[in-house]
Amino acid sequence: AQSVTQLDSQVPVFEEAPVELRCNYSSSVSVYLFWYVQYPNQGLQLLLKYLSGSTLVKGINGFEAEFNKSQTSFHLRKPSVHISDTAEYFCAGTGGGNKLTFGTGTQLKVEL
Amino acid sequence: EAGVTQFPSHSVIEKGQTVTLRCDPISGHDNLYWYRRVMGKEIKFLLHFVKESKQDESGMPNNRFLAERTGGTYSTLKVQPAELEDSGVYFCASSQDQVHGGSPLHFGNGTRLTVT
Repeated sequence: AQSVTQLDSQVPVFEEAPVELRCNYSSSVSVYLFWYVQYPNQGLQLLLKYLSGSTLVKGINGFEAEFNKSQTSFHLRKPSVHISDTAEYFCAGTGGGNKLTFGTGTQLKVEL
Repeated sequence: EAGVTQFPSHSVIEKGQTVTLRCDPISGHDNLYWYRRVMGKEIKFLLHFVKESKQDESGMPNNRFLAERTGGTYSTLKVQPAELEDSGVYFCASSQDQVHGGSPLHFGNGTRLTVT
């Protein structure tokens, strides 16, 4: 079955600390992988995407993610978070069709 | 460039009533999608339009849901009659090319539907 798993529902972190949000996927949704962010009262915004090529993908706002085929992971990282990064983050994938399969989301809370 | 807009932002209705959600995609985007997030769960695909045609409606929960996209511009999603389990946030998204070509989706802010 197609699935995207986000292992952490909430991640608290202090400002300026590094963060990693975990995402694992099944092989059937590994054609394209995405990370989206939803700030409070807003829609989802694309952070980054992996289509092919380099396994390290850089996105907006200093985020990056690494596609790891052997571990079927696509974890999102940022070396130093800011209070404005507080939001909900969604990992998503597609097996080549037009439907995105989303994970359940990870709420990142950045504290002072 | 105006983004994807959805109306209303919130809707509270009683069980058995009808609600119509509207989505205006980004101008020129032929592909329009509806997704839904039930409280605390993942965002799930409902359906996909290419212009005015339904490309894939495999995610529609049942026949109480009707989506239209007359003229290939804006889309409506009608729920009739609404049930308690229909509560959630309904997202609309659009894209210029199809997702299988790697084109990302542009999402609206969503409509929060509460059925009491």
